[in-house]
Amino acid sequence: DVKVTQSSRYLVKRTGEKVFLECVQDMDHENMFWYRQDPGLGLRLIYFSYDVKMKEKGDIPEGYSVSREKKERFSLILESASTNQTSMYLCASSLQLSNQPQHFGDGTRLSIL
Amino acid sequence: AQSVAQPEDQVNVAEGNPLTVKCTYSVSGNPYLFWYVQYPNRGLQFLLKYITGDNLVKGSYGFEAEFNKSQTSFHLKKPSALVSDSALYFCAVRDIYSGNTGKLIFGQGTTLQVKP
Repeated sequence: DVKVTQSSRYLVKRTGEKVFLECVQDMDHENMFWYRQDPGLGLRLIYFSYDVKMKEKGDIPEGYSVSREKKERFSLILESASTNQTSMYLCASSLQLSNQPQHFGDGTRLSIL
Repeated sequence: AQSVAQPEDQVNVAEGNPLTVKCTYSVSGNPYLFWYVQYPNRGLQFLLKYITGDNLVKGSYGFEAEFNKSQTSFHLKKPSALVSDSALYFCAVRDIYSGNTGKLIFGQGTTLQVKP
């Protein structure tokens, strides 16, 4: 089974801090994704990556950056955390075939105080 | 523009009754369609997909979905609902302009409540 592991289930940070969310997948998937999930807004794509060191903006990239130095790891960075970034963050990965599903981690519930 | 619509925020059904969670899509060409389920405080779990072939697709936990090209729909169904099926369900379609990046367009989600 594919396993996508997010480093923290719950995280509390302060406004202005630089926050790192880590995601690791163990199935050699080329594609990786970061979403945020908010009540009433569904899933919104922040960034995705289709190869090492390659990244593309999703629908809501402002205030975020990403890093993919190794194939199995995709990091989401909040450069200067703000309270409106309090949310559930979900990481996913998939094979580089358009007919394959994405596999999700269990999420990180991030609170910015 | 490409989009996925789940017209019902919530669906309520009694245990043992059949359930349907609706999904319609708008995309050019042949769609690749997916259903996911999310239990509280968990990530999304893949249930089933339609790529090509038989319009009735079977997936995990006894769920199935029917692809209807003329109605641009991909409704999720189960013949007999369980209380444990209560969860948030997402329909998604492949972004046809994203090549092999696997990018999906998700619906807003439908909460399924199965009552004993």
